[in-house]
Amino acid sequence: EVQLVESGGGLVQPGRSLRLSCVTSGFTFDDYAMHWVRQVPGKGLEWVSGISWSSTTIAYADSVKGRFTISRDNAKNSVYLQMNSLGPEDTALYYCAKGVIPILVVFMADSWGQGTLVTVSS
Amino acid sequence: QSALTQPPSASGSPGQSVTISCTGTSSDVGGYKYVSWYQQHPGKAPKLMIYEVDKRPSGVPDRFSGSKSGNTASLTFSDLQAEDEADYYCSSYAGTNNFGVFGGGTKLTVL
Repeated sequence: EVQLVESGGGLVQPGRSLRLSCVTSGFTFDDYAMHWVRQVPGKGLEWVSGISWSSTTIAYADSVKGRFTISRDNAKNSVYLQMNSLGPEDTALYYCAKGVIPILVVFMADSWGQGTLVTVSS
Repeated sequence: QSALTQPPSASGSPGQSVTISCTGTSSDVGGYKYVSWYQQHPGKAPKLMIYEVDKRPSGVPDRFSGSKSGNTASLTFSDLQAEDEADYYCSSYAGTNNFGVFGGGTKLTVL
């Protein structure tokens, strides 16, 4: 069974940093791209960032470019999201998601975690 | 403002056929076959229903189907069921610097 478990969310002050983690199991992690998607409670989905299986191809939404950094550790079956210079607009539930087709880096995700909530407030 | 345009709501009675549209541009929906659809029930994580425009993951009933014409993708429910009531989001690849853009979501109500 494929499982994705996010952690690292919480309450943080504006301008501070937070690092999200997503530990996975049940599939060959280093065959697939991984993504982060966020959702403001009660609102729609927003793709945040994606990383290829080899970490050689990475992209970010314009809203987080220059502030967020995605990375992965294939030995630990884990993907991370380092979030710097956080603002109230970053408040959301952050989901980790697995690519559906091996190697392909485009966003189409067949497995999702339950999300970790990030609240940016003073 | 969402990159892809979906109607905010749709509805139908059990057994009816309903279609939700997702309109983008030639830089996303119209330019690639990488369109996907997600179902989200309240308080739950999204679930993949369609990928690569018209492919169904295992376990998704065949009454769900996807298609695309030009810059508009569509999700069709051929035999609406009560459990289909949920929010639905489309997504499309939009190039090497933007792996995915979403629509604003459509709330489907089963009457």
